[in-house]
Amino acid sequence: GENVEQHPSTLSVQEGDSAVIKCTYSDSASNYFPWYKQELGKGPQLIIDIRSNVGEKKDQRIAVTLNKTAKHFSLHITETQPEDSAVYFCAASKVINAGNMLTFGGGTRLMVKP
Amino acid sequence: DTEVTQTPKHLVMGMTNKKSLKCEQHMGHRAMYWYKQKAKKPPELMFVYSYEKLSINESVPSRFSPECPNSSLLNLHLHALQPEDSALYLCASSQVGLQDSYNSPLHFGNGTRLTVT
Repeated sequence: GENVEQHPSTLSVQEGDSAVIKCTYSDSASNYFPWYKQELGKGPQLIIDIRSNVGEKKDQRIAVTLNKTAKHFSLHITETQPEDSAVYFCAASKVINAGNMLTFGGGTRLMVKP
Repeated sequence: DTEVTQTPKHLVMGMTNKKSLKCEQHMGHRAMYWYKQKAKKPPELMFVYSYEKLSINESVPSRFSPECPNSSLLNLHLHALQPEDSALYLCASSQVGLQDSYNSPLHFGNGTRLTVT
């Protein structure tokens, strides 16, 4: 099955700095890569996603890159703010039996210090 | 606020109790999911329903019994649970996946925090 590795497990940055989280996946059949932000006491919320036919996608301060050949994808957050503090999960996904099979990475706890 | 609603938010139950978790969405999604999340861990898939039919069961013990009564509702019936089943139970929904096509995102609820005593 799919295996998703995520690094680092914790990341502490100063407000205004950039944060980068990296993931690798193993199954070449995975074709969709969402990123989720999970705040304390809440469910994961989608913040950005990328499909395997695209190399890069940006939404304001958040960008994601995908290297399909190397099976790497990364999340970049610029100009970090204290409200960016949360746990971030990458995931790799493919369709099985009409369901979207998501395999999550282990998570990164991001702390933005004011 | 999430468009996937889960009730109750918190549940404490004994090992001999029977209880149910409920999930509702009105986004017209025809795929619904149950995930289990232990503290400081990523969500783990339990069940997938597509078009109200169970399509994936990730070898979940029979003390967890899912049910999808209609396209908007998903239940998880609990019976004879163990303390190690204590976790956050997350429901999610999405458009149905098409083979050889691209997936659509999963929308998660805020979960039910379950404690088994």
